[in-house]
Order: sequence, then structure tokens, then C-alpha cells
Amino acid sequence: GQNIDQPTEMTATEGAIVQINCTYQTSGFNGLFWYQQHAGEAPTFLSYNVLDGLEEKGRFSSFLSRSKGYSYLLLKELQMKDSASYLCAVRALTGANNLFFGTGTRLTVIP
Amino acid sequence: DAMVIQNPRYQVTQFGKPVTLSCSQTLNHNVMYWYQQKSSQAPKLLFHYYDKDFNNEADTPDNFQSRRPNTSFCFLDIRSPGLGDAAMYLCATSRDTGAQPQHFGDGTRLSIL
Repeated sequence: GQNIDQPTEMTATEGAIVQINCTYQTSGFNGLFWYQQHAGEAPTFLSYNVLDGLEEKGRFSSFLSRSKGYSYLLLKELQMKDSASYLCAVRALTGANNLFFGTGTRLTVIP
Repeated sequence: DAMVIQNPRYQVTQFGKPVTLSCSQTLNHNVMYWYQQKSSQAPKLLFHYYDKDFNNEADTPDNFQSRRPNTSFCFLDIRSPGLGDAAMYLCATSRDTGAQPQHFGDGTRLSIL
């Protein structure tokens, strides 16, 4: 089976840095995605990790440790518009590019 | 420009009355997916098409069906909607079945009266 865990909610201050953790247990592993989802809107792709280490993309970075079944999304210089849910999704070996999503972390950025 | 388009954004139907949700894409991607997302829950994959090949998830109810008449369009048919089917339905595409991001439409929020 698949099990993906993320904190339900987080709050952080504008201009600060926040780290959103994700742990997973899946039947095989073939990559991990982070998506951002604003309320009532579609998820939008943020990052992808398949090898251990850090991937940096502007204000967003994502880290993966396959041996620990662990990833985090790091958001720097937080802006009010970063208030959204952040979904961790694992691509398992079963099925064609099937993604298994966590329930998401709702991030609130406060002034 | 929107690349994965879902219509309508909001759909209301009556209990037991068949409803169809539509999705179109301009990306020419091979794979199209349908997800169901209930409030505060993870998106759950219902099924996907790789080209014309249909792949149903084991726990997708028989009440849910899909059609893909051509590369650009994919439909989700709910034959007899129940109250528990009220949700956001997300369509997504990916170029292939490799490790590529899926591109989501804005979703259709379905309400059941």
C-alpha cells in the first residue's frame, strides 16, 4: 500500500523561511513531486526529485532522502500569495505514472 | 493560455441523474487522468488513458466511466450520482508515462441535490 504523511497546517510570517516535510512508504519509488494548490484551483507543479539531494528553483527548493522515505519543500522569502496547500505526491512503480498524493499541508502566511 | 481546460467549472446535478464532465488539452499529451478530490483530502486517481488504452483503478466504483474519443478530449461520466460523489473532479495530462509532471485543469466542482 501507499502511505504519505504531511503536517495538516502550518503558519509562517511574510519574508520568513518555512519547511514542509513529507514522509512516505510506498510499493516501490519512482520520484516525488511537490504541487501547490490554491483554494478552489488546480494543483500546479512546483518540483520533482528522483535522486537524493536538493533541487533549487528560485524561492522554492525540494530535498529528497530515499533511504529515509523523506522529502521537504523549502520556501524562502515568503509572500502572502504563498498561502496555499502544498501537496506531496509519490510516483510508485505500479501503474503508469500513477501519483499517490498526500492530503496536503495548508500554509498560511501572515504579515 | 490554459492548456488543460475543464468545463464546466461548477456543475449541479440531481441525485441519480447522469452527468458528464469534460476535459480538453492543447498539449498533445498521450496520457489523460481523472482524479476525485473531496474537501481537505488528497486527489484520488479514478482512471487514466494512455492514448486509447483505458486503465481503471481497482477501487474506482462502476458508477464512474470515461471516454476518450480523440487525443484532445476526455470525458468523465457518472451514471447515477450519489451524495457521496460531490467533489472536485480534476483532469490532468502528461506527455508520457515516464517521470514527468502532470498538468492539471482547474477542475469541476460537482454538487448533488
